[in-house]
Amino acid sequence: DSGVTQTPKHLITATGQRVTLRCSPRSGDLSVYWYQQSLDQGLQFLIQYYNGEERAKGNILERFSAQQFPDLHSELNLSSLELGDSALYFCASSVDLNHEQYFGPGTRLTVT
Amino acid sequence: DAKTTQPTSMDCAEGRAANLPCNHSTISGNEYVYWYRQIHSQGPQYIIHGLKNNETNEMASLIITEDRKSSTLILPHATLRDTAVYYCIVRATRETYTGTASKLTFGTGTRLQVTL
Repeated sequence: DSGVTQTPKHLITATGQRVTLRCSPRSGDLSVYWYQQSLDQGLQFLIQYYNGEERAKGNILERFSAQQFPDLHSELNLSSLELGDSALYFCASSVDLNHEQYFGPGTRLTVT
Repeated sequence: DAKTTQPTSMDCAEGRAANLPCNHSTISGNEYVYWYRQIHSQGPQYIIHGLKNNETNEMASLIITEDRKSSTLILPHATLRDTAVYYCIVRATRETYTGTASKLTFGTGTRLQVTL
């Protein structure tokens, strides 16, 4: 158990819908990262937050957005969902920007 | 970040040492070598990291060559539970005008199969 929690574990929704994935970092960790893992793209970095501020963006679609709240939990919002958005979404956290990242168990999103 | 090259797959007998190689010939002086593994579809698990010196923890040992162009992750006594995809990642902390970005760039990794 890494100490990072993600909810929900599984999510099934239809195309065009909007969903919110939630992540609670390890106690004391200030930085949160989101990654997407699909069969054809592998593990890809989406976005990073540090103490509430966005610090880096990867291959994140404009339909996706995220935020980190004052209590340091983070949410990833996915809208206008397409079949290709079906994937595992992982959240990771680290103490600061220079230390190792610990990953949560992931949310499996299925878009039908 | 520097690109890494790993074998696609490896086999190891249970109880034996598993030696997983990684080439990172374009690594620069401020880049670390990180190892993660992913068991089935679970979240990636941090194993170990290093800069220049060899490192050891309760999970594994990391051997980095003197020129830092390659490294080897050693699992001293592999068990069936070590069957996973192992990722070698080279990561630098970069300063941007807003702060620091420290993403992990995952390649395809090495699929380690531990057998009886």
